[in-house]
Amino acid sequence: QVQLVQSGAELKKPGASVKVSCKASGYTFTSYAIHWVRQAPGQRLEWMGWINAGNGDTKYSQNFQGRVTLTRDTSATTAYMELSSLKSEDTAVYYCARNVLGTTQLDYWGQGTLVTVSS
Amino acid sequence: QSVLTQPPSASGTPGQRVTISCSGSSSNIGSYAVNWYQQLPGTAPKLLIYSDDQRPSGVPDRFSGSKSGTSASLAISGLQSEDEADYYCAPWDDSLNGVVFGGGTKLTVL
Repeated sequence: QVQLVQSGAELKKPGASVKVSCKASGYTFTSYAIHWVRQAPGQRLEWMGWINAGNGDTKYSQNFQGRVTLTRDTSATTAYMELSSLKSEDTAVYYCARNVLGTTQLDYWGQGTLVTVSS
Repeated sequence: QSVLTQPPSASGTPGQRVTISCSGSSSNIGSYAVNWYQQLPGTAPKLLIYSDDQRPSGVPDRFSGSKSGTSASLAISGLQSEDEADYYCAPWDDSLNGVVFGGGTKLTVL
């Protein structure tokens, strides 16, 4: 069965960086894309960007341009999201989600990773 | 503030039919398929409806989606207590060049 398992919660200081992993299993990793979505406490979902797990192509939301980097390790079937220059407003649950290339739906989601930014 | 407008809340009693609207523009709903996600309290979102009106395997046929012009709707019939959740519409958006989420609608089953 398709599973996306994310790394554990993180506590970071303002100005630091965080890297969240998303381990995929149960499907051919390189045939799909991985999107990243975050949700601040009590807020709506916010799309951050996506990576084509096959060729590594990426696309980032303008809201995070320059601060977010998406990568993947095909041998480990794992995608990564790194967010730099953290601010308190980046405190949120970060989700990875699978996407069939050429479509727009996110059909399987990770369990989420809470990133807390606090001094 | 989202470019998609959803009512912040909706409610109904068990067995009733509830509809949640999502209003957008030509750069999103007017040009792309709409997907709907259900987020139960404290859990990750789940794909509920894709390509405007398609249900993934395992989603009950009590859930249905529709679209007209730059607006979309999610209908839930035979409302059940376990339907209490947040619901988000999410098409692609040309301006964002990515997925845009509505503000979410919190459904309460009275």
